[in-house]
Amino acid sequence: EAGVAQSPRYKIIEKRQSVAFWCNPISGHATLYWYQQILGQGPKLLIQFQNNGVVDDSQLPKDRFSAERLKGVDSTLKIQPAKLEDSAVYLCASSSGGDTQYFGPGTRLTVL
Amino acid sequence: GDSVTQMEGPVTLSEEAFLTINCTYTATGYPSLFWYVQYPGEGLQLLLKATKADDKGSNKGFEATYRKETTSFHLEKGSVQVSDSAVYFCALRDFGNEKLTFGTGTRLTIIP
Repeated sequence: EAGVAQSPRYKIIEKRQSVAFWCNPISGHATLYWYQQILGQGPKLLIQFQNNGVVDDSQLPKDRFSAERLKGVDSTLKIQPAKLEDSAVYLCASSSGGDTQYFGPGTRLTVL
Repeated sequence: GDSVTQMEGPVTLSEEAFLTINCTYTATGYPSLFWYVQYPGEGLQLLLKATKADDKGSNKGFEATYRKETTSFHLEKGSVQVSDSAVYFCALRDFGNEKLTFGTGTRLTIIP
């Protein structure tokens, strides 16, 4: 079974630029999550989708971050414009509704 | 709100030593508890879990017991190997909520 795929693995941008991350969850997993992991901290949930609907986006900075999952499969997370404090690893995870979330390898973003 | 406090690292041990990584939690309900592991260059993987008080989760020689009276879920292994070198995250999922709340992670290095 293929795992959660994410791209790109690394991205370096300058502040005020925009960036987008892509996630392909495990086939058949209805729930998809985006987490932000700042260096030295644990992952923090940004947004949770159930199929193509948003379940929880309470910690998403909506003035600059947006996410979509139009067909209930792949998802894209966008930052526009980026700030220095957005430097982090962005993790995508999926689940089939049980206890276990399966994580992708993450995208490491550096904002200069 | 929910929170997880982990033993700060980094932790360095010799091969075959006994390992304990402390984890305590605060939750409003009756959470499920998890240990995730992140090997170098890889995504987070579920190591073990426990869903109710006094449950013991175990995997790959690691164990953790859900202690409601002390709100703890300490990770233990009797004899560590070099291949156990990784970052370990304690996490909780409160009842009725799929969101994971993570601790800050503990970096473990095992030297031969």
